[in-house]
Amino acid sequence: GDSVTQMEGPVTLSEEAFLTINCTYTATGYPSLFWYVQYPGEGLQLLLKATKADDKGSNKGFEATYRKETTSFHLEKGSVQVSDSAVYFCALVPSSGGYQKVTFGIGTKLQVIP
Amino acid sequence: DGGITQSPKYLFRKEGQNVTLSCEQNLNHDAMYWYRQDPGQGLRLIYYSQIVNDFQKGDIAEGYSVSREKKESFPLTVTSAQKNPTAFYLCASSPGNRDYEQYFGPGTRLTVT
Repeated sequence: GDSVTQMEGPVTLSEEAFLTINCTYTATGYPSLFWYVQYPGEGLQLLLKATKADDKGSNKGFEATYRKETTSFHLEKGSVQVSDSAVYFCALVPSSGGYQKVTFGIGTKLQVIP
Repeated sequence: DGGITQSPKYLFRKEGQNVTLSCEQNLNHDAMYWYRQDPGQGLRLIYYSQIVNDFQKGDIAEGYSVSREKKESFPLTVTSAQKNPTAFYLCASSPGNRDYEQYFGPGTRLTVT
């Protein structure tokens, strides 16, 4: 079945450091890929998405590129802030028709220290 | 403002009692979902509903029940049959029709002692 793999963390970075959170997936065809963010004590919110190969999703300084050849969708940000501290979830939705179940990764906790 | 509301934010129950978690959305979304979140396990799907009066079991439905009598509402009942009910519960909705972005509520933290 479909799966998403990401490290659990925590990832600890100093403010203004470069961030990479790796995400790889297993799925047939061309799934849609997502990054969600969860701040402490809250629900998830969509950060960015990409629906076809080579698409780049971006939002709030975060970027991720859909790489079909490496089945990856790594999240990057050039300069993190303390306010970016949260848990980040990679997710996919398969490309076949009908109801589409979302498969989430385990979530990566990011801690940014001043 | 459109969105999803879950209530209450914190809920405490004694073991052996059923408890119902509320989820309401005013986004006019067709599909609604319930997830359970535990430390180190990500999100696990409990139930989902694509249309009113229809719902399907997710990966961990045992010990839970739902109803979908109105498009806006998708309450989750945690029954006494659920062996380990203490968790953070998240409700979500999506437009459907090939728009797969999920919109989440703020969550309910249930503690059963």
